[in-house]
Amino acid sequence: DAGVIQSPRHEVTEMGQEVTLRCKPISGHDYLFWYRQTMMRGLELLIYFNNNVPIDDSGMPEDRFSAKMPNASFSTLKIQPSEPRDSAVYFCASTRQKVITDTQYFGPGTRLTVL
Amino acid sequence: AQKVTQAQTEISVVEKEDVTLDCVYETRDTTYYLFWYKQPPSGELVFLIRRNSFDEQNEISGRYSWNFQKSTSSFNFTITASQVVDSAVYFCALSEPSLTGANSKLTFGKGITLSVRP
Repeated sequence: DAGVIQSPRHEVTEMGQEVTLRCKPISGHDYLFWYRQTMMRGLELLIYFNNNVPIDDSGMPEDRFSAKMPNASFSTLKIQPSEPRDSAVYFCASTRQKVITDTQYFGPGTRLTVL
Repeated sequence: AQKVTQAQTEISVVEKEDVTLDCVYETRDTTYYLFWYKQPPSGELVFLIRRNSFDEQNEISGRYSWNFQKSTSSFNFTITASQVVDSAVYFCALSEPSLTGANSKLTFGKGITLSVRP
């Protein structure tokens, strides 16, 4: 089975530009998570969805960040306008949780560099 | 609030040495899950193990073993006879119940960078 797929793997953009990161969760998984990893803050949860509905977006740093999940097989994380401090690795993860906690499986990440 | 502390930031060992990575957690929940993930130099996050708060049995998987002790709120990870391929950053994580009732959110420690020298 295919794992979590993220695109692009690397993104270099200039400050002020819009950036869109994409994620395809594992088929059958009903939870999707977006994380950001930086040296200073480590791994932090930005937002997560259950059955395509955003459940908790308290980790989204500011209004420049937005996330959508139009269907069960696709999600986007958009940053507009981007700033140099947004440079990080962004991970998408998915899991299937019916009764008990299941394991979150992570995608390969998107390394974002904002110049 | 939930918290995961990985006090060791970097560990360097010589191949074939045993090494233990420490993880201490804080939570007010009675039901929770603990995880270890490995992040090799290639950057992906690889799931290693999941334990629930009601199962304190130690687990062994090949050269890997985990020691879960609720009394000390610790979930330590030992690699026996380390190999160069074990070089990676290792993260301990703790789940917390979500608004839906299921354990969804993960709180990660800062990670431990393990270097295994030939």
